[in-house]
Amino acid sequence: GQQLNQSPQSMFIQEGEDVSMNCTSSSIFNTWLWYKQEPGEGPVLLIALYKAGELTSNGRLTAQFGITRKDSFLNISASIPSDVGIYFCAGLTGNQFYFGTGTSLTVIP
Amino acid sequence: NAGVTQTPKFQVLKTGQSMTLQCAQDMNHEYMSWYRQDPGMGLRLIHYSVGAGITDQGEVPNGYNVSRSTTEDFPLRLLSAAPSQTSVYFCASSSAGAKGTQYFGPGTRLTVL
Repeated sequence: GQQLNQSPQSMFIQEGEDVSMNCTSSSIFNTWLWYKQEPGEGPVLLIALYKAGELTSNGRLTAQFGITRKDSFLNISASIPSDVGIYFCAGLTGNQFYFGTGTSLTVIP
Repeated sequence: NAGVTQTPKFQVLKTGQSMTLQCAQDMNHEYMSWYRQDPGMGLRLIHYSVGAGITDQGEVPNGYNVSRSTTEDFPLRLLSAAPSQTSVYFCASSSAGAKGTQYFGPGTRLTVL
């Protein structure tokens, strides 16, 4: 199947710091999505990107659809304790979604 | 709206047993899907459906069956459970086909002994 490489695997940051994570693939995707998952819950969609080069914000979150369509980036500005969780990227091709392995974020107050 | 509901929340099976994981949504979504989530593997698509009466295989379909007789329900069947099927299973639905926002259920944690 498709392989989405997500990095970093985990991050430990101080409250107020900015966070960057990315997702790369050897395959082209038509849509990139970013999800957040908290313990015991299902993933929740944060941002959806539909065009190469697209830059979209959702509050303190900003994501970009890479020009090559093989990568995407998520930035979180001024992190707060409730940002803690696992962040997943997902790429859509046809009717199938492929997920990255996740970035675990810990915010230290 | 209850959104996407899954039952049971937890299940323990013995190898060879069969069971059905239930998934229902009350948002009139056409697209529904099943994923399994394993440590360090992210979510992997098992089966999906673009509408009632239509199902298709995802990335890891072996050992699982699905059917979609109504828009609301999308059950996942394990005919003969194996330890390799120990995982957390998530159901999701989407309004505008695969491109719409996917709403995930709370998950079913399955252990196969």
